[in-house]
Amino acid sequence: SQQGEEDPQALSIQEGENATMNCSYKTSINNLQWYRQNSGRGLVHLILIRSNEREKHSGRLRVTLDTSKKSSSLLITASRAADTASYFCATTPGGNTPLVFGKGTRLSVIA
Amino acid sequence: GAGVSQTPSNKVTEKGKYVELRCDPISGHTALYWYRQSLGQGPEFLIYFQGTGAADDSGLPNDRFFAVRPEGSVSTLKIQRTERGDSAVYLCASSSTGGWGYTFGSGTRLTVV
Repeated sequence: SQQGEEDPQALSIQEGENATMNCSYKTSINNLQWYRQNSGRGLVHLILIRSNEREKHSGRLRVTLDTSKKSSSLLITASRAADTASYFCATTPGGNTPLVFGKGTRLSVIA
Repeated sequence: GAGVSQTPSNKVTEKGKYVELRCDPISGHTALYWYRQSLGQGPEFLIYFQGTGAADDSGLPNDRFFAVRPEGSVSTLKIQRTERGDSAVYLCASSSTGGWGYTFGSGTRLTVV
């Protein structure tokens, strides 16, 4: 089963624009993570935000978390063609419980 | 090695055959996870090891699927009597702290014909 639902399913933007992807989830979480996947192979961990955090930054990435709405957003600023990939949110209630992934957003950045 | 290694990278097998997929995690990572990803979907959890034992195998779809990690490092996912519906990318990940950022391998693309 997949807990997270990303929105939109696909997003196409011009290089230099900002890209915003949203994630909604259903159950209580300890943390929420965003991953990136190129060409349908291995995923790369981008950023983790804990349930008691509201916003986090890492380079051109900005993640927000609203636990009252059970939602998160990932903002990529000044996008580049190399940002073209699928982006997934994943959640866990904590401890050693495995991450549950959403279906992902396919981002295309056009040069 | 520096990352999670999965072999083979691609596997084509005939329906009904047995296959083994191997995962070599990052040295020292005690947690190891197997996921399966179908086209256009997110990774779906199969099984999780903490050390040598399977801590959670609730994601295995049926008894044709089995995984081992006998020495707490390398893991093998075994699929018996493969079916065309088993075709997917099988992803392995490891973590040192469990749930705090996984390192994924590049996956094994399994095609059952």
